[in-house]
Amino acid sequence: TQLLEQSPQFLSIQEGENLTVYCNSSSVFSSLQWYRQEPGEGPVLLVTVVTGGEVKKLKRLTFQFGDARKDSSLHITAAQPGDTGLYLCAGGDRGGGSNYKLTFGKGTLLTVNP
Amino acid sequence: KAGVTQTPRYLIKTRGQQVTLSCSPISGHRSVSWYQQTPGQGLQFLFEYFSETQRNKGNFPGRFSGRQFSNSRSEMNVSTLELGDSALYLCASSLGVVGETQYFGPGTRLLVL
Repeated sequence: TQLLEQSPQFLSIQEGENLTVYCNSSSVFSSLQWYRQEPGEGPVLLVTVVTGGEVKKLKRLTFQFGDARKDSSLHITAAQPGDTGLYLCAGGDRGGGSNYKLTFGKGTLLTVNP
Repeated sequence: KAGVTQTPRYLIKTRGQQVTLSCSPISGHRSVSWYQQTPGQGLQFLFEYFSETQRNKGNFPGRFSGRQFSNSRSEMNVSTLELGDSALYLCASSLGVVGETQYFGPGTRLLVL
């Protein structure tokens, strides 16, 4: 069974601070996705990374996929209250043909205080 | 284009009852996946349907079942409800190409008393 460990589980910071969220596994994934989920809503995809060592930037968010494709990080610069939400990482596994599955971490609940 | 819709949004049931949840995918999407989200276990994959056939299945007991109709709408059924089935049930749709982006609905929050 593939597992994704996210840390920290909870994070409360002040507006303007920087933060990093980690997603680690002992398994190799063919892709790694990051989602943000707000209360009462389903997760919304932020980014997909597929190549080991890949770095993607989305405004103030920087995503990195580990060289061995087992871990990833999400860095937010100058956090804003609108960044508040549950951040989920999900590893994609091409187990074979149509058996592609997404394995989700339990998430990091981020609160950015004004 | 309308997003993924799920009905009902909230549901209260008692132990032993059964429940049916509905998911309407984005127009043109042929794949629907179901997930259970709880604070303790996070998001866990239940099953995926593509063109009315179950294409993939997670590690849930047989009390959890689903189906997909010719218009790609999907239903999920849970029989003999247990307290531990209380959760947010999410469905996600995609075109059906393996590995592509899934779009999630807002979920159905089920409370079992």
